[in-house]
Amino acid sequence: GIQVEQSPPDLILQEGANSTLRCNFSDSVNNLQWFHQNPWGQLINLFYIPSGTKQNGRLSATTVATERYSLLYISSSQTTDSGVYFCAVEVTDSWGKLQFGAGTQVVVTP
Amino acid sequence: DAMVIQNPRYQVTQFGKPVTLSCSQTLNHNVMYWYQQKSSQAPKLLFHYYDKDFNNEADTPDNFQSRRPNTSFCFLDIRSPGLGDAAMYLCATLGSYNEQFFGPGTRLTVL
Repeated sequence: GIQVEQSPPDLILQEGANSTLRCNFSDSVNNLQWFHQNPWGQLINLFYIPSGTKQNGRLSATTVATERYSLLYISSSQTTDSGVYFCAVEVTDSWGKLQFGAGTQVVVTP
Repeated sequence: DAMVIQNPRYQVTQFGKPVTLSCSQTLNHNVMYWYQQKSSQAPKLLFHYYDKDFNNEADTPDNFQSRRPNTSFCFLDIRSPGLGDAAMYLCATLGSYNEQFFGPGTRLTVL
């Protein structure tokens, strides 16, 4: 099956810092999504981004499908950005079935 | 407005005592998913529905069953919970562009 690798596994940031999270995937995919899981366990869909670049406030994402990677940028980080960030790719010929990466645990300190 | 609703948010059951978790969605999509997430791990798909067509993942234990009485509702039944079934259970559906939207989850404790 398709492999999804995220890096780094853990990240500690001081409030206000910028960071980049990476997701590599091993095969062609229908789409790619980034999620944020908050400390209460809620998974929030950040971006649906099979290719190209999208921005939403302080967050932006870029997917280069031909090179099989995606990047999530967090700018001017805030303590509310803490949590786990998951990258997930849709398996081809499936009903939206997602293969998740292991996640990046982000802690933003005041 | 919440698109995927899960009840209860926290569920405590005893070893071997059947438990049912519920999920409802307001997006009226014909696909729904159930995931299991254990501590410090990624969500793991248990099964999904396309309309009433049930699709089990190959490694989902028989202890887990599901019902979908209509488009909006879906239930996860754990017939005989073991200590290893303690986890967060997440329900999801699809939006207009096939992006997945998750409910807040039900955290299951097995005593």
